[in-house]
Amino acid sequence: EAGVVQSPRYKIIEKKQPVAFWCNPISGHNTLYWYLQNLGQGPELLIRYENEEAVDDSQLPKDRFSAERLKGVDSTLKIQPAELGDSAVYLCASSTHRGEAFFGQGTRLTVV
Amino acid sequence: GEDVEQSLFLSVREGDSSVINCTYTDSSSTYLYWYKQEPGAGLQLLTYIFSNMDMKQDQRLTVLLNKKDKHLSLRIADTQTGDSAIYFCAESMDGNKLVFGAGTILRVKS
Repeated sequence: EAGVVQSPRYKIIEKKQPVAFWCNPISGHNTLYWYLQNLGQGPELLIRYENEEAVDDSQLPKDRFSAERLKGVDSTLKIQPAELGDSAVYLCASSTHRGEAFFGQGTRLTVV
Repeated sequence: GEDVEQSLFLSVREGDSSVINCTYTDSSSTYLYWYKQEPGAGLQLLTYIFSNMDMKQDQRLTVLLNKKDKHLSLRIADTQTGDSAIYFCAESMDGNKLVFGAGTILRVKS
């Protein structure tokens, strides 16, 4: 069974440009998470979806970040415009029930 | 607020046991996790324990929970070079939102 798939793996953009990340969760997983991992730190939750509904987006900086999960499967996370401080690894995870989240390999974003 | 703390670095010799420690502040934590992250990879769930348990063992891994002191540990028996990675402790009240520590770098010397 395929794991959580994220793309791209790496992205380098200039500041003020937009960027989007894509996540395909494990088949059948109705819960999807986006986490932000800064260098030398643990992941921090940005947003959690239950099917198509964003049930926890309290940590998402809504002035520049947006996310969607159409049809309750794939999800995209967008930043517009990107800032230097957005350089980090963006992790997607999915789960079927509480407690066992499976993570993708992440997208490493570098803003220059 | 929620906070999870871990020591930054641990170095052991191959074949020895490794013990990685974690403390958390939220007394309502119900789930406590250990994740492993290898370079350039996502996080791999190693094991988790419910707050009503004291210990959980899974092959070479032993998790100990001292709920009174809010202290969680992960013991890896017979540590191998392939165990070199960053280990993250995490806690959750409801199994949905996980709060992670900053990670412990485990270096295994052959």
